[in-house]
Amino acid sequence: GAGVSQSPSNKVTEKGKDVELRCDPISGHTALYWYRQSLGQGLEFLIYFQGNSAPDKSGLPSDRFSAERTGGSVSTLTIQRTQQEDSAVYLCASSSAGTSTDTQYFGPGTRLTVL
Amino acid sequence: AQSVTQLGSHVSVSEGALVLLRCNYSSSVPPYLFWYVQYPNQGLQLLLKYTSAATLVKGINGFEAEFKKSETSFHLTKPSAHMSDAAEYFCAVSDFPSRGNTPLVFGKGTRLSVIA
Repeated sequence: GAGVSQSPSNKVTEKGKDVELRCDPISGHTALYWYRQSLGQGLEFLIYFQGNSAPDKSGLPSDRFSAERTGGSVSTLTIQRTQQEDSAVYLCASSSAGTSTDTQYFGPGTRLTVL
Repeated sequence: AQSVTQLGSHVSVSEGALVLLRCNYSSSVPPYLFWYVQYPNQGLQLLLKYTSAATLVKGINGFEAEFKKSETSFHLTKPSAHMSDAAEYFCAVSDFPSRGNTPLVFGKGTRLSVIA
């Protein structure tokens, strides 16, 4: 079946603008994760959704970052007032049940460049 | 919190040679461990995972890894490198149970180059 999809694949924005990144998880997967991949920091966890539970936002680097998941499916990561240090590849992953042994399936990522 | 350390940011091997990518973890409890591969401009793909069953885990594309508790290691190996193995490899640990949920904690990655 279809894998995890993300859009856009590339986003270039100016410092101070808001951006929205979209993730479509694998159908039926209850867990959804956002990670950020940057040269200086490697792969970092941002936020995690599991079913109807409150999301785990403990990885969000600042209050400029937020995410929502509508209808238990599509998720949007929003970055307000973007800064140059936000430039990175944002990866979304989903897993079937969100347990510790589940495989997380990753999308191709959105490359964000903040000028 | 748990963490993983990948020794060597870049490893270069000749085609047909043994591939050995090193990963050490820090955990006070038996962890769950994963190896992912990332090809250029793509997302991460699972190679294999250790979930406390067999200590020798076989994955896709001829890769395998052995969980060694005494050495806190989970090194990735492949007997014979192929040109198509050139990619970035990430070791990861499930940050459990300290967090009570399941985000992955990744190592910094090792870029594998295969020389013809």
